[in-house]
Amino acid sequence: GDSVTQTEGQVTVSESKSLIINCTYSATSIGYPNLFWYVRYPGEGLQLLLKVITAGQKGSSRGFEATYNKEATSFHLQKASVQESDSAVYYCALSDRGTSGGNYKPTFGKGTSLVVHP
Amino acid sequence: GGIITQTPKFLIGQEGQKLTLKCQQNFNHDTMYWYRQDSGKGLRLIYYSITENDLQKGDLSEGYDASREKKSSFSLTVTSAQKNEMAVFLCASREANTEVFFGKGTRLTVV
Repeated sequence: GDSVTQTEGQVTVSESKSLIINCTYSATSIGYPNLFWYVRYPGEGLQLLLKVITAGQKGSSRGFEATYNKEATSFHLQKASVQESDSAVYYCALSDRGTSGGNYKPTFGKGTSLVVHP
Repeated sequence: GGIITQTPKFLIGQEGQKLTLKCQQNFNHDTMYWYRQDSGKGLRLIYYSITENDLQKGDLSEGYDASREKKSSFSLTVTSAQKNEMAVFLCASREANTEVFFGKGTRLTVV
């Protein structure tokens, strides 16, 4: 089956420091998935942060970036300078491309809780 | 834009009780999902439906039933609530080749 593995548990970073949350995937049933990062801010619902559907491309949003590396099967989330408002839970995910007979079950990682200290 | 509405927001049940969670979406999406969210375990798929009246079991379907009454609604039933169970249930929907949109969740507590 398909799977997503991301940095586990809690990551604590001081404000203005850089961040990387690792994400690797296995897409045996899909082959060439779409990749996503979702975020859940305190008190809010889970929402899309960024997505990339083409290998080699980079997605960005709110200062975060992630590059689709098909060779390494990775999609790491990075930010050069975090802020306290970035404190949230981040989920890496993959899904099929919606072709006929495709996999209708998006696969999520277990989530990484980011705590940014002032 | 659209929205996914889950009711109730908070649900307190008693051990052995049958409990129903409801979800409505106005995106006009074909596919809908129910996930259970537990700290440290991520999102686990309970049931999904790729069209009206369709039901597919996810990885965590035991102990749950689901119903897709119409395209816009998808309900989940906990068939027998387990004592001390606490979890957040997320409803979601999408069209093919797009991202998943989530509701804000129903928080279940069983006493």
